[in-house]
Amino acid sequence: RKEVEQDPGPFNVPEGATVAFNCTYSNSASQSFFWYRQDCRKEPKLLMSVYSSGNEDGRFTAQLNRASQYISLLIRDSKLSDSATYLCVVNMAAGGSYIPTFGRGTSLIVHP
Amino acid sequence: NAGVMQNPRHLVRRRGQEARLRCSPVKGHSHVYWYRQLPEEGLKFMVYLQKENIIDESGMPKERFSAEFPKEGPSILRIQQVVRGDSAAYFCASSPMAGANQPQHFGDGTRLSIL
Repeated sequence: RKEVEQDPGPFNVPEGATVAFNCTYSNSASQSFFWYRQDCRKEPKLLMSVYSSGNEDGRFTAQLNRASQYISLLIRDSKLSDSATYLCVVNMAAGGSYIPTFGRGTSLIVHP
Repeated sequence: NAGVMQNPRHLVRRRGQEARLRCSPVKGHSHVYWYRQLPEEGLKFMVYLQKENIIDESGMPKERFSAEFPKEGPSILRIQQVVRGDSAAYFCASSPMAGANQPQHFGDGTRLSIL
């Protein structure tokens, strides 16, 4: 079983749609969680951290469910510019340090 | 306010040569991470370093690959005797301190092509 799993997609949605991605993780000792965005052949960029109580940043909402070991990202009112790969990142405890572990990413395509 | 700086952006090597990839973290960041991304694949953790120390190299191939982060200067990822399978994008990231809640800041990456 992979440590961080994501549905690779692609999710193909029209502009204005609401879309949600999930990400599951296997290590219950995981401490912190992030969503990154990666455009084709570019570096990953931090989209948002994920807090235990859930958090929102404009059209983006992130939630954490520790009991079921998954995090989610909800995008409302999708824009063409939201087309990208969304990476789930989990900082996992490993021998006294925390190692960021990336999912393979979920591809989102927003079309007119 | 420079972010993570990687160079070169593109590197071409012939099989059997050495490749050296450099990464200067965000000013004040003392933690550096290297990742490899193969075409159509996700990011794979390679190594985590602090100044003068390798903290975790569980993702590094056992042979030909090495990394360092000296007291002065950039972090270096070194690949000896490169093979075609080493062709990938290599990303470096940095964070300001240890601890679970630190997001990483990524450089633009080095695209390594092996002829």
